[in-house]
Amino acid sequence: NAGVTQTPKFQVLKTGQSMTLQCAQDMNHEYMSWYRQDPGMGLRLIHYSVGAGITDQGEVPNGYNVSRSTTEDFPLRLLSAAPSQTSVYFCASSYLTGASPQAFFGQGTRLTVV
Amino acid sequence: AQSVTQLGSHVSVSEGALVLLRCNYSSSVPPYLFWYVQYPNQGLQLLLKYTTGATLVKGINGFEAEFKKSETSFHLTKPSAHMSDAAEYFCAVSAQAAGNKLTFGGGTRVLVKP
Repeated sequence: NAGVTQTPKFQVLKTGQSMTLQCAQDMNHEYMSWYRQDPGMGLRLIHYSVGAGITDQGEVPNGYNVSRSTTEDFPLRLLSAAPSQTSVYFCASSYLTGASPQAFFGQGTRLTVV
Repeated sequence: AQSVTQLGSHVSVSEGALVLLRCNYSSSVPPYLFWYVQYPNQGLQLLLKYTTGATLVKGINGFEAEFKKSETSFHLTKPSAHMSDAAEYFCAVSAQAAGNKLTFGGGTRVLVKP
């Protein structure tokens, strides 16, 4: 049971480059989300999705784009990387409803923009 | 709108001593509260959650937390610290029972001294 899988684990980008962070889950969860983790700030929600074809913005969406064509996958795109996007990115998934609520997190992608 | 405040970004405890991590929240709706733990270079793992019912919640690894509505608090405790408890701990709140769209506190890093 793989859970939530993120790739790559590490990435270095130059300012202005674009890239896609991959996230896949095998638990048939409807809800998927992306967070960024910065020291002293906890995790902040970037974008989320309640199902295939449906996405919405979180707290810090600027500079990021998402789409959800399947239940399993929820990629995060950086359109033009900036040093302020240096962070650790986590993907999470969960059921929309249920008696045992829990978000499952991936291992994270550590991104450095130089 | 929701927010979470964790008092103390770093806590140092001796092995065998009480661990107490403080969390206060604000929420305009009945909150669903969570504690997550993050070990070095890993994703987040659920420790425990409060959704409805009993206000004293027991989690994994001997941790427990008490929901106090009058104090808007959800402090995490463990009677006796173990070296393996060294990690970063995050308190989070959600307006949704499924634990989606989490708002996190800034995190508390726990150091356990032998």
